[in-house]
Amino acid sequence: EAGVVQSPRYKIIEKKQPVAFWCNPISGHNTLYWYLQNLGQGPELLIRYENEEAVDDSQLPKDRFSAERLKGVDSTLKIQPAELGDSAVYLCASSLGTNSYEQYFGPGTRLTVT
Amino acid sequence: AQKITQTQPGMFVQEKEAVTLDCTYDTSDPSYGLFWYKQPSSGEMIFLIYQGSYDQQNATEGRYSLNFQKARKSANLVISASQLGDSAMYFCAMRSPFAQGAQKLVFGQGTRLTINP
Repeated sequence: EAGVVQSPRYKIIEKKQPVAFWCNPISGHNTLYWYLQNLGQGPELLIRYENEEAVDDSQLPKDRFSAERLKGVDSTLKIQPAELGDSAVYLCASSLGTNSYEQYFGPGTRLTVT
Repeated sequence: AQKITQTQPGMFVQEKEAVTLDCTYDTSDPSYGLFWYKQPSSGEMIFLIYQGSYDQQNATEGRYSLNFQKARKSANLVISASQLGDSAMYFCAMRSPFAQGAQKLVFGQGTRLTINP
């Protein structure tokens, strides 16, 4: 069974440029999460989807961050414009559903903003 | 608010020795879940073990066991017979209760474990 797929694995951009990250969850997983992991810290939830609906986006900086999960499968996280402080690892995870406690994580996208 | 505290930024252990990674938590909810994840240099978070707040026995998964002391709000990870491949970052996490929409994991800051040959 394929795991959570993320692309790109690494991205270097200049500040004020836009950037997008893509995530393909494990087949059949209805719940999808985007986490932000700063260097030396644990991940922090940005947004959680139940199918195509964003049910928890309270930690998403909506002035520059946006996310979508069309058709309840793949998801895209976008930053526009990027700032130096956005340099971090962006992790995607998925789980079967609300009552499933185990989350499966992808390898993450390491973003460097110069 | 829920909080996870990992007080050991780094641990160095000789191969084949047992190691305990500390984790304390703070919550006012009676129902919660505790997790340990391993993050190797490749970046992927790997689920290791889970303990529910109402579980009577400590969770075990192969060489991993969770020393759950509810009254002390402690959930330490014990790795027996450590191996070189155990070198990684280890994160303790807590899940918000189902009543609040479930599945939000709150992570600690992590402990970097290095196994020496």
